[in-house]
Amino acid sequence: GAGVSQSPSNKVTEKGKDVELRCDPISGHTALYWYRQSLGQGLEFLIYFQGNSAPDKSGLPSDRFSAERTGGSVSTLTIQRTQQEDSAVYLCASSLVGQGSSPQHFGDGTRLSIL
Amino acid sequence: AQKITQTQPGMFVQEKEAVTLDCTYDTSDPSYGLFWYKQPSSGEMIFLIYQGSYDQQNATEGRYSLNFQKARKSANLVISASQLGDSAMYFCAMREGLIYNQGGKLIFGQGTELSVKP
Repeated sequence: GAGVSQSPSNKVTEKGKDVELRCDPISGHTALYWYRQSLGQGLEFLIYFQGNSAPDKSGLPSDRFSAERTGGSVSTLTIQRTQQEDSAVYLCASSLVGQGSSPQHFGDGTRLSIL
Repeated sequence: AQKITQTQPGMFVQEKEAVTLDCTYDTSDPSYGLFWYKQPSSGEMIFLIYQGSYDQQNATEGRYSLNFQKARKSANLVISASQLGDSAMYFCAMREGLIYNQGGKLIFGQGTELSVKP
């Protein structure tokens, strides 16, 4: 498809387990972002990748969260030792470039539930 | 301090009427951009409109327009001729640091839920 693709769409796991969330951006987009949306809330920035530059990790809430982007395309967000407060919808977005007026295009998100 | 404030948690509008969704922002950066997104109940985030801090004219995209008042630091979204399909959550967002091609991330407000009545 032409849009941002995220998998899985839903993930239920037990507290303490590790989870991996995947994002496949729009082809040709150099910038990729992860956000988190808790119930009824706005979006909280997590991490931003732009080309080959060092990622902006300033939004990661703890060292249990990490992300990588391989080959400038697909990205994986990993949450280790999950906690109940990690339950949220994790949204990935990509844009042609990471600056200026370039809008971010979002995937449908991964709904993560921690039991 | 909140960087993006949307003071209306919920709004109602009659079909075919116009509605204004408020957004105020706080930044000391002279170069920034403001974005509006729509999030229907299905969950996807849809980009609607963009306004740059140095743009001379208010942005328009079809039925969407931005009432940008720089001195007041407000960027209200106006939807004309509301349709039932406009019922959704609307988010205002800001990107700072445009002039030096910095930034990247968007800072979002808490959103306004718009309901269009038939």
